[in-house]
Amino acid sequence: EAQVTQNPRYLITVTGKKLTVTCSQNMNHEYMSWYRQDPGLGLRQIYYSMNVEVTDKGDVPEGYKVSRKEKRNFPLILESPSPNQTSLYFCASSLSAGASYEQYFGPGTRLTVT
Amino acid sequence: AQTVTQSQPEMSVQEAETVTLSCTYDTSESDYYLFWYKQPPSRQMILVIRQEAYKQQNATENRFSVNFQKAAKSFSLKISDSQLGDAAMYFCAYRLPYTGANSKLTFGKGITLSVRP
Repeated sequence: EAQVTQNPRYLITVTGKKLTVTCSQNMNHEYMSWYRQDPGLGLRQIYYSMNVEVTDKGDVPEGYKVSRKEKRNFPLILESPSPNQTSLYFCASSLSAGASYEQYFGPGTRLTVT
Repeated sequence: AQTVTQSQPEMSVQEAETVTLSCTYDTSESDYYLFWYKQPPSRQMILVIRQEAYKQQNATENRFSVNFQKAAKSFSLKISDSQLGDAAMYFCAYRLPYTGANSKLTFGKGITLSVRP
């Protein structure tokens, strides 16, 4: 089954404790992206990747890191999480970056930083 | 920068009735794509419908249709014969057809639709 998976689905952590949210897709998609969803703000792009080893900042990259060492994986890294990073996170992928290609979303990761 | 505005935070509709969700956007581009996404309580993001700006014909997908007014920069979603399963948050989104930095989806704030039995 073609899908985007994220782990963990729920995470409660404390300020400053490094964490990684994994994202994996099995559709051989070139383009991958991370969004965060906050009430009243919709979804905003954090980082994106055009292909392996090619990543760039989105609208809200502060406090986050990403890597793309393999085509299928695009982990989101929070080196020192803070409470303002409490949010719902989505990974998405598409065959390519053009808008005609549908973006497939993962199931979301609910992160709480205390 | 492109912006997407959904001014109604909540709407309610009676089962089997029709409801229209509003969306406006701001862009200086002439070619772009518009989307409506559904987010049910499961939080999964589901693509409902897509409209290409260069196409004058409004997109339809079964009970879902759009009213795309390019000059007015308006993109509303009409849901006909509303069903209980339509209850969800709906997001309007915009995307440029380029590769590179502008390939992101720009989302509105979302509207919560409830369906009354």
